[in-house]
Amino acid sequence: DAGVIQSPRHEVTEMGQEVTLRCKPISGHDYLFWYRQTMMRGLELLIYFNNNVPIDDSGMPEDRFSAKMPNASFSTLKIQPSEPRDSAVYFCASRAGTGSYGYTFGSGTRLTVV
Amino acid sequence: GQSLEQPSEVTAVEGAIVQINCTYQTSGFYGLSWYQQHDGGAPTFLSYNALDGLEETGRFSSFLSRSDSYGYLLLQELQMKDSASYFCAVYTGTASKLTFGTGTRLQVTL
Repeated sequence: DAGVIQSPRHEVTEMGQEVTLRCKPISGHDYLFWYRQTMMRGLELLIYFNNNVPIDDSGMPEDRFSAKMPNASFSTLKIQPSEPRDSAVYFCASRAGTGSYGYTFGSGTRLTVV
Repeated sequence: GQSLEQPSEVTAVEGAIVQINCTYQTSGFYGLSWYQQHDGGAPTFLSYNALDGLEETGRFSSFLSRSDSYGYLLLQELQMKDSASYFCAVYTGTASKLTFGTGTRLQVTL
């Protein structure tokens, strides 16, 4: 298995632009998570899905952020419009179902908003 | 809400043993995990404890005391490649939600 695949690895965009981050979880994993990592706030859970259904989006900072999971093999995190304070590393992670506790993280997308 | 406390930095010598502590305050505690993250890399899963006691996996061991809301990660026979950040993280509710601590940066020296 290729693991959790995220794209792009790096993204530089101007303030106000729309940004879309992509994630392909490990095949057969029931859970998908989006995290954001910054020096100031550490690793924050933004949203997670179970069997493609959003379960908890309480970590999504504001309405500018949205996430979708149209099928078991693909998820997107969209920021519109982007702001400099959104600059961070965004990780996608997946986990198998009941009885499995280890998360597998993707390599992350380093987002810079200028 | 949840809060997790762990030391920000630890330094140890190659070949030594180091213990990284984690205390937590949370409702709906389900279990404790540890993750390793090298600079520029992604977090990788090390261990999971749901019950009190010690879990050993090679050079790494993890301990949990639910009554004390406390756990630790023990690294033995330290190697230079162990220099990384180590995060404790708590599962809450139905064990689907994982909240991370602020991380401990371990520096292994010669």
